[in-house]
Amino acid sequence: QVQLVESGGGLVKPGGSLRLSCTTSGFTFTDYYMSWIRQTPGKGLEWVSSISSGGSTIYYADSVKGRFTISRDNAKNSLYVQMNSLRADDTAIYYCARRASSHYFDSWGQGILVTVSS
Amino acid sequence: EIVLTQSPGTLSLSPGDRATLSCRASQSVSNNYLAWYQQKPGQAPRLLIYATSSRATDIPDRFSGSGSGTDFTLTISRLEPEDFAVYSCQLYTTSSRYIFGRGTKLEIK
Repeated sequence: QVQLVESGGGLVKPGGSLRLSCTTSGFTFTDYYMSWIRQTPGKGLEWVSSISSGGSTIYYADSVKGRFTISRDNAKNSLYVQMNSLRADDTAIYYCARRASSHYFDSWGQGILVTVSS
Repeated sequence: EIVLTQSPGTLSLSPGDRATLSCRASQSVSNNYLAWYQQKPGQAPRLLIYATSSRATDIPDRFSGSGSGTDFTLTISRLEPEDFAVYSCQLYTTSSRYIFGRGTKLEIK
């Protein structure tokens, strides 16, 4: 079965950095765009970034552009996001999600909490 | 930028009732790119409906989606106890962005 497992979350100070990983199994990783989506109690779900199957096409939400970098390692069936210059409003549960061809997210990880606080 | 507005914010119904949830876009959008998700406390979102009206794998037929233009609806024909959750709509935009509504909480009356 399809599995996506996030790791790397935790507590970080404002201005700090964190790298999240998403390890996948149960499907052909190279067939899919992958995305990061985050969720806060106040703002609900917010799309963060997407990367094409080969890694050549990348999109970012304006709120993270210039601070976050999405990447993937197809040999390891893994997705990453490097988060720099973190701010308090980046505090959220971050989900790794598989994007289907018609631009919806058909499989999600369990989520990982990132807390930005001094 | 397109905004998705979901209403009501909270819907209080009883098992066996019919639920109608609304998702309104601030401008006309393609039917192909509107999806609905269900989320229960402590769990990740689960895809219910994609392309406005297509049910995802293993989703019961009591869930249905409809709409066009700016107005989209998720209908649950007869509520089961496990259907009480938060429902969010999601849109893919022409600028290659993804937008979510704030969600409707469906609670037991």
